[in-house]
Amino acid sequence: GESVGLHLPTLSVQEGDNSIINCAYSNSASDYFIWYKQESGKGPQFIIDIRSNMDKRQGQRVTVLLNKTVKHLSLQIAATQPGDSAVYFCAERAYNQGGKLIFGQGTELSVKP
Amino acid sequence: KAGVTQTPRYLIKTRGQQVTLSCSPISGHRSVSWYQQTPGQGLQFLFEYFSETQRNKGNFPGRFSGRQFSNSRSEMNVSTLELGDSALYLCASSGGGNGEQYFGPGTRLTVT
Repeated sequence: GESVGLHLPTLSVQEGDNSIINCAYSNSASDYFIWYKQESGKGPQFIIDIRSNMDKRQGQRVTVLLNKTVKHLSLQIAATQPGDSAVYFCAERAYNQGGKLIFGQGTELSVKP
Repeated sequence: KAGVTQTPRYLIKTRGQQVTLSCSPISGHRSVSWYQQTPGQGLQFLFEYFSETQRNKGNFPGRFSGRQFSNSRSEMNVSTLELGDSALYLCASSGGGNGEQYFGPGTRLTVT
């Protein structure tokens, strides 16, 4: 199968701090990107998405940045809370691939109270 | 709206058996995608169905198959189960303009 990355990095932050989760994608034809949050025992939960014609998109407490030059995506979480503890996945989709998403291996975010 | 539902939630099978998993998408969504999630390989795309037709397929052997019904519900089947098929199988439905996918809780398959 296809995947991006080979290990699960971890990020530990203090409650109230900002978190930045990074993701490198592989396909220059990818035109749509999504960040998902997955808590233990649950399916991935949609957080925010961005199209390749944008560099930045903001949601509630979250911001996604896209750098197409270096094929890099980041998720910023403001004022991180214990409920934000989860594994975060980035996913990419090429314009001609319909619903086929290619997922990164994920980053585990741990928030210390 | 109700979210994506998957049944069963947990399943234990033995090698050589076959299994069928079911997914009901969000009402109004016509696209259903299936993914396999394992600790070693992460989330990997299996296939996508749209209006009862397979629209896309990942790099999995022919033992993995699926179908979609006229009401958009989908099933996936795995035949001749192997130990390595133990995984969380996730279904996602899509119906929005951007193609964002919404996932169900998954079916945890254990092959012994």
